[in-house]
Amino acid sequence: DADVTQTPRNRITKTGKRIMLECSQTKGHDRMYWYRQDPGLGLRLIYYSFDVKDINKGEISDGYSVSRQAQAKFSLSLESAIPNQTALYFCATSAWDRGADTQYFGPGTRLTVL
Amino acid sequence: AQSVTQLDSQVPVFEEAPVELRCNYSSSVSVYLFWYVQYPNQGLQLLLKYLSGSTLVKGINGFEAEFNKSQTSFHLRKPSVHISDTAEYFCAVSADSNYQLIWGAGTKLIIKP
Repeated sequence: DADVTQTPRNRITKTGKRIMLECSQTKGHDRMYWYRQDPGLGLRLIYYSFDVKDINKGEISDGYSVSRQAQAKFSLSLESAIPNQTALYFCATSAWDRGADTQYFGPGTRLTVL
Repeated sequence: AQSVTQLDSQVPVFEEAPVELRCNYSSSVSVYLFWYVQYPNQGLQLLLKYLSGSTLVKGINGFEAEFNKSQTSFHLRKPSVHISDTAEYFCAVSADSNYQLIWGAGTKLIIKP
């Protein structure tokens, strides 16, 4: 079984709809992240959480919200989806290793907003 | 602030030929460096990382990278590529106290038969 899972894997929705993307992990890591990937732009950080009570905005948090329901679960919500939120979304977890975090990624959710 | 530049958006190379994917970074402090690979329709997988110690780092699938502090580079190399290496490769740097990764835009490795 995969260590980091994301649901759904693909989603098509309409402008103005509320969408929730879910992430679960079995790695036992405290830190979790949400990224979006757009062609030619690499990955951009949306939100990150260092533990259940610690949630922080990333580079592009506008239009998004998150919930850390448990150590193993971190959800991303789009309250009112818009077409420029069409992207590939990745959840990641991280582990501390010799002074740096190493991140481990889920398979991604492809979101299309019409 | 840190930044990462991957100098090539695409690198075409013949099968069994060597390849180098270039990555340069800017930072005023010590850095940790990573290469990730994304195979088609998959998530990102850690290829290798430099945290400290030897500047030549070996990763999975026969890849290696060399940390060059004076040139602020962390280029990825493989002596002989295979069709299965077709993927997008991302360089990332971490240096601040939030442990966030700063990502390059990615390089698509295209293997020609």
